[in-house]
Amino acid sequence: EPEVTQTPSHQVTQMGQEVILRCVPISNHLYFYWYRQILGQKVEFLVSFYNNEISEKSEIFDDQFSVERPDGSNFTLKIRSTKLEDSAMYFCASRGDIGVETQYFGPGTRLLVL
Amino acid sequence: AQKVTQAQTEISVVEKEDVTLDCVYETRDTTYYLFWYKQPPSGELVFLIRRNSFDEQNEISGRYSWNFQKSTSSFNFTITASQVVDSAVYFCALSEASRGTDKLIFGTGTRLQVFP
Repeated sequence: EPEVTQTPSHQVTQMGQEVILRCVPISNHLYFYWYRQILGQKVEFLVSFYNNEISEKSEIFDDQFSVERPDGSNFTLKIRSTKLEDSAMYFCASRGDIGVETQYFGPGTRLLVL
Repeated sequence: AQKVTQAQTEISVVEKEDVTLDCVYETRDTTYYLFWYKQPPSGELVFLIRRNSFDEQNEISGRYSWNFQKSTSSFNFTITASQVVDSAVYFCALSEASRGTDKLIFGTGTRLQVFP
């Protein structure tokens, strides 16, 4: 069964460093998302992406964040200068076309900023 | 405003007990979708079910059943004859599809512990 994959599974970085989280959505899906979950808290929406542009972003998704679909398969989230409060689990999700409303999530990348 | 409330923070049961996880939502939309996701200790988010706002029919899948009631804005999830493998955090989520947004709004989750 097709699934969303994410790399790396864990990332440790120093405050101020740039990180890139990678996702490979399900191959025929058209809509892509990033969510984050701070430890022990609920899952929060960051950004949605369709047709090579951002569809919607939350207040969390400030200028330090960016997303890109550099080729036909990868979808990346970049944090330019990480802060301690960026430590969280980051989930990528994808869904198919209009009328297929279920978002399928990847296994997540646990980011720890020291 | 859109909101999902899962008032039960944590529930503990003994194996084979039935357990119901509550979810109450708020939305002004007439077209929306409700979801349940399971997050086992390994951390991934596993999709369980989606209902749209026009379909109030309850659904059963094996030991899982869902009760959607628009009159009370609730979408409750029942596990019958719980098993240790059901131990996880369960999230209810809402998507307001008609507003041109499809982001998922999650509740705070209910941690279910099933003891042998």
